[in-house]
Amino acid sequence: EIVLTQSPGTLSLSPGERATLSCRASQSISSSHLVWYQQRPGQAPRLLIYGASSRAIGTPARFSGSGSGTDFTLTISRLEPEDFAVYYCQQHGSSRRTFGQGTKVEI
Amino acid sequence: EVQLVQSGAEVKKPGESLKISCKGSGYTFGYYWLGWVRQIPGKGLEWMGIIFPADSDTRYSPSFQGQVTMSVDKSTATAYLQWSSLKASDTAIYYCVRQVTYEGSPPRPAFDVWGQGTVVTASS
Repeated sequence: EIVLTQSPGTLSLSPGERATLSCRASQSISSSHLVWYQQRPGQAPRLLIYGASSRAIGTPARFSGSGSGTDFTLTISRLEPEDFAVYYCQQHGSSRRTFGQGTKVEI
Repeated sequence: EVQLVQSGAEVKKPGESLKISCKGSGYTFGYYWLGWVRQIPGKGLEWMGIIFPADSDTRYSPSFQGQVTMSVDKSTATAYLQWSSLKASDTAIYYCVRQVTYEGSPPRPAFDVWGQGTVVTASS
């Protein structure tokens, strides 16, 4: 099983600041198989980034993804109030599509 | 509009059976894998498994193999998740998800559409 470890667990920032979220895999995965989701309180998750760096339809340009091998990053260039949420990475590289435990971005 | 609409909240007793549903619309139901994701209150996301509606090919996470059954009814574009005997530890929100594969070399899969979630409570 590929384990995804996200850090930090919680990120306390203010609107307008930059957020950098990390996702580390227990073994190397193709960047094509790394995905990021956002979950706002009381809502279902929504797709943000696929293939490690491609924005899904509707994802604002302030969100960017990068990385390869075992280390991946989601960056939010300038936080907007609606960006305060929990972010999950997920890998589709193995038959067991695991999620990271999530990073909460809070004010 | 592509949508997955799930059945409503359920309250059951441990040991009872349950079947929840997820109806797809706005796309060709048989062409996309459908998955299920569990979220225990206040916790993260767990992938349970995935089913291909065209032929009912099903892949379960080892954590859920034997604990749940996934099925589909192509005639009504509906996927199902069922338990034969609920446990208190099955209390959670269950999301159905559509898996899309974006073009690329290699292809890039992702869960692009999520249902609204079904809250399942198993309590005596």
